[in-house]
This record gives sequence, C-alpha cells and structure tokens, in this order.
Amino acid sequence: DTAVSQTPKYLVTQMGNDKSIKCEQNLGHDTMYWYKQDSKKFLKIMFSYNNKELIINETVPNRFSPKSPDKAHLNLHINSLELGDSAVYFCASSQKYTPYTGELFFGEGSRLTVL
Amino acid sequence: SQQGEEDPQALSIQEGENATMNCSYKTSINNLQWYRQNSGRGLVHLILIRSNEREKHSGRLRVTLDTSKKSSSLLITASRAADTASYFCAPFTGGGNKLTFGTGTQLKVEL
Repeated sequence: DTAVSQTPKYLVTQMGNDKSIKCEQNLGHDTMYWYKQDSKKFLKIMFSYNNKELIINETVPNRFSPKSPDKAHLNLHINSLELGDSAVYFCASSQKYTPYTGELFFGEGSRLTVL
Repeated sequence: SQQGEEDPQALSIQEGENATMNCSYKTSINNLQWYRQNSGRGLVHLILIRSNEREKHSGRLRVTLDTSKKSSSLLITASRAADTASYFCAPFTGGGNKLTFGTGTQLKVEL
C-alpha cells in the first residue's frame, strides 16, 4: 500500500485554467505538507496542515489554496495558472512522535506543466 | 528553520567507488537528515543523525556530523548504478519548525 499518494501524477494545462492536485496518506500522521520543486531541484515548502488546521503558509500567491477535509487528506487548488507554476508538487506527511524528529514521508509528486 | 547547502552540486563516479557529499548549515540543530530522490520520484528518508551523535551507519551509508563546523557528510561506500540519484540534507531545528531543503547533490554512478 502506498503511504502517501498523489493524483494526478502528470498534469498538462493551459495558462489561465484552474486545476487541483489531491493527496492522501494512510500513515495516520497528523501533519501534511505541500512542497514545490522547481527545474533546478530546489524544494520549497508551501503549506502545512496539522490535523486540518493551517499552520504554515509560506509566501505563496493566493491563487494557491490548500484544503484539508480531514487529517488524512490535503488537496491543492490552483487558480488562473501561470507559466511559472510549472513544477513538480510534492505532498508529504509527518507524525509528532515523542521526541519529534521532523522526518517526512513524501508522495511521488505531481508534475504540472502550464502551456 | 534553515536549509542545508549540499556540496558538490554534481558528482560522477564509477561503480564500486565511494561517494562523499557534504552539507553545511547555519544555526544550531536538533538533528540532521539525509534524503534520496531518484529521478521522477519523491524524496525518501535515508538516515537521521542527532546533534549529540558524531557518526552513524546504515548499510553502505555513513553519516558524520560536526556541530562545531556546522557540517555533515554522507559517504556511500562501494557505490552501485542504483545509487544514481539526488541527495538532500535537511537540518532540523526542532520544535514546530519545518524541514527545508536545498538543491541537493546529483550523484551519477557509471558502470
């Protein structure tokens, strides 16, 4: 069973469109994240939710809106897509063990291409 | 939170050789983690070293940590073609802080 799964794996769309990426984790973790990886492999955190509550919102355009219906799911909706949004988006999760180590479990990524 | 900076950016070696990559960071840490990313895949956690540890082994992986120099190294011994991947370090400062990453070291192991 895949621990952190994202759909779709590939997404090709036109500028100006709206698209969503979905993420689900079956690890029982409390915290989920969205990261964006650019063409130079730089991985930047975008959002983090802890038990459905937004706890990290890095300086991301408000065209990006995360939604967590429950602690096992974190979706990312992007409005009015721009060329610069082309990237690979990774979902990740972590658990607050004692002591908390910060270890992350990643999905396989969703490659978004905006034409 | 802080990101680590990996060095070199790219490394090409022959199968059977050892690969060493380095990581530097700026502030005190709780632990430092190394992740591997195969082409087209997500990051996978490899090993975690705590701030009070100096060396840790896992299979063919050896990680060292020098908190006085704020640096860590990852050594892969007897490399294999399957080790070809990008390797990222992630210093963790503890508390509710997030894990951040740099651009990684791209390792290519040639037959």
